[in-house]
Amino acid sequence: AAGVIQSPRHLIKEKRETATLKCYPIPRHDTVYWYQQGPGQDPQFLISFYEKMQSDKGSIPDRFSAQQFSDYHSELNMSSLELGDSALYFCASSLLLVSTEAFFGQGTRLTVV
Amino acid sequence: GDSVTQMEGPVTLSEEACLTINCTYTATGYPSLFWYVQYPGEGLQLLLKATKADDKGSNKGFEATYRKETTSFHLEKGSVQVSDSAVYFCALSGGTGANSKLTFGKGITLSVRP
Repeated sequence: AAGVIQSPRHLIKEKRETATLKCYPIPRHDTVYWYQQGPGQDPQFLISFYEKMQSDKGSIPDRFSAQQFSDYHSELNMSSLELGDSALYFCASSLLLVSTEAFFGQGTRLTVV
Repeated sequence: GDSVTQMEGPVTLSEEACLTINCTYTATGYPSLFWYVQYPGEGLQLLLKATKADDKGSNKGFEATYRKETTSFHLEKGSVQVSDSAVYFCALSGGTGANSKLTFGKGITLSVRP
């Protein structure tokens, strides 16, 4: 069965650079979530989209932005990167009207040096 | 706001020992409850879930019962295996729409020795 695809799997950036993370949800899923997991931490909710519209916002820095495109894939754009942005970034998708169960991608490990 | 509290770890057990990982929650309304597992270097996998009070979720020998009266969702397994070594997260979802995001507990690392 198709799963949530994230790219790239690993990314190394320097401070003050920009990074773009991509997420391809399970086909026909209508909701995408982004989470940030720091080293040894629990995942923290960043932002979500339902039918291409932002549906909820968590602890996402102003330097970050995200959107969901017409084909339902989503991108998380991160600018002016800081060392503290080094983390595992997960995307998850769900079919909201059917189930609250979210399916997670493998994550993108971002390292800021 | 919603929150999830897990017992502190790490936990180290011998193979075939019994496992209980405590989880309690605070939420308005009627959340859905989940246990996710994260193996080293991998993403989050749903282990089991329960969507209403008294529901029991089960998978791979793991069980958890949604207890509304004690706001708990403790994870149990009668006989753990080395392959169960991983980080376990308890989580809740407040429902649909803007409440559908997951709120996670701090996670607990389980190590099972042969």
